[in-house]
Amino acid sequence: AQRVTQPEKLLSVFKGAPVELKCNYSYSGSPELFWYVQYSRQRLQLLLRHISRESIKGFTADLNKGETSFHLKKPFAQEEDSAMYYCALAAGGGNKLTFGTGTQLKVEL
Amino acid sequence: GAVVSQHPSRVICKSGTSVKIECRSLDFQATTMFWYRQFPKKSLMLMATSNEGSKATYEQGVEKDKFLINHASLTLSTLTVTSAHPEDSSFYICSASKGLATDIQYFGAGTRLSVL
Repeated sequence: AQRVTQPEKLLSVFKGAPVELKCNYSYSGSPELFWYVQYSRQRLQLLLRHISRESIKGFTADLNKGETSFHLKKPFAQEEDSAMYYCALAAGGGNKLTFGTGTQLKVEL
Repeated sequence: GAVVSQHPSRVICKSGTSVKIECRSLDFQATTMFWYRQFPKKSLMLMATSNEGSKATYEQGVEKDKFLINHASLTLSTLTVTSAHPEDSSFYICSASKGLATDIQYFGAGTRLSVL
């Protein structure tokens, strides 16, 4: 069975500082990884997926199969980045998502 | 585009009653819909996956007779919590995807169920 681990429940950084939200996964096959974000009083929405290899709102994430990680990074945090971030995994070819427990990012001025 | 509406946003009911939650895709056809449950400060736990016109596939440990899922059209899925008890109190979230293969899921805003 697959598992997604987000070790930090809360991450607090200052505006302009780099951000790294950690995500590790456990899955024997070929996974597809996602980052979903939930801003205050809004619904969960997709931030990015590894197969797209694109930067969204300045965020990037690289799939590292050797370390089984998919950390989310942004070089300079903005106040509007404050939100709950969930890492999720879909088993190869499937559409069911396994979510991590989420990390609350708080960007302070 | 790709908006998912979930209704009601909050429901309070007495123990033993049944509650129906609706999930609608407003501007796209949802081949697959998902139902999740979220406990306080916990992750989203997938309860079941439903494809239009077929029976839902439940995750291990989820009682199919307790949580009835119907996906009668490409834009509507319902979750009925039958004979609800206080332990069923939770936050239920639906999502919908356009295709069968690995695809983006679009989420509803969730329903807070409180069983007294």
